[in-house]
Amino acid sequence: DIQLTQSPSFLSASVGDTVTITCRASQGIYGYLAWYQQKAGKAPQLLIYAASTLQRGVPSRFSGSGFGTEFTLTINSLQSEDFASYYCQQLNTYTFGPGTKVDF
Amino acid sequence: EVQLVESGGAVVQSGGSLRLSCEASGFTFEDYDMHWVRQAPGKGLEWVALISWGGDKTDYADSVKGRFIVSRDNSRNSLFLQMNTLRIEDTAFYYCAKVLSDYAFDSWGQGTLVTVAS
Repeated sequence: DIQLTQSPSFLSASVGDTVTITCRASQGIYGYLAWYQQKAGKAPQLLIYAASTLQRGVPSRFSGSGFGTEFTLTINSLQSEDFASYYCQQLNTYTFGPGTKVDF
Repeated sequence: EVQLVESGGAVVQSGGSLRLSCEASGFTFEDYDMHWVRQAPGKGLEWVALISWGGDKTDYADSVKGRFIVSRDNSRNSLFLQMNTLRIEDTAFYYCAKVLSDYAFDSWGQGTLVTVAS
């Protein structure tokens, strides 16, 4: 079974910061990785798919990169509405990473 | 606009059964694979089940295999999750989600809460 790890699990940041979250897969998944944002009490929202493709309507300050086993989500110039939890997901067997909470 | 609306969540005794529904609108439901994902309160996301667009292929997380059954009725634009032999650890918000080809889940419902009591 393909496992995902995320680092860090918690990230303290400020408005205007650039933050990077890493997702590692236990085996190669090519580019079949997605990133989601989830705010408290809400359903997850798709940010990035196919490792680096920005979902329609998602601000360009979000970007993704990576292939195989290591992937990153970068948020440039963090905005107040970006304080949330972020999850990666591999689309071979659909498992999610444990999540990263971005907070003040 | 794509809309997914789950229903059927409730408080149920351990060992009991429950059937969740997800009503879809705003897209051609019969063209898309659909998934169920759950999230225990305060915890991360866990993939639960997949059903192909035609309903002929299903797959399950090991944690629910043999207890949960996913189905769909394309004539009613509806997705279902029959949950049997429920356990305390099945307590979670359950979301239905639509696929964006093989690449992601691009639309999610608001979730329905299942609480399994001892």
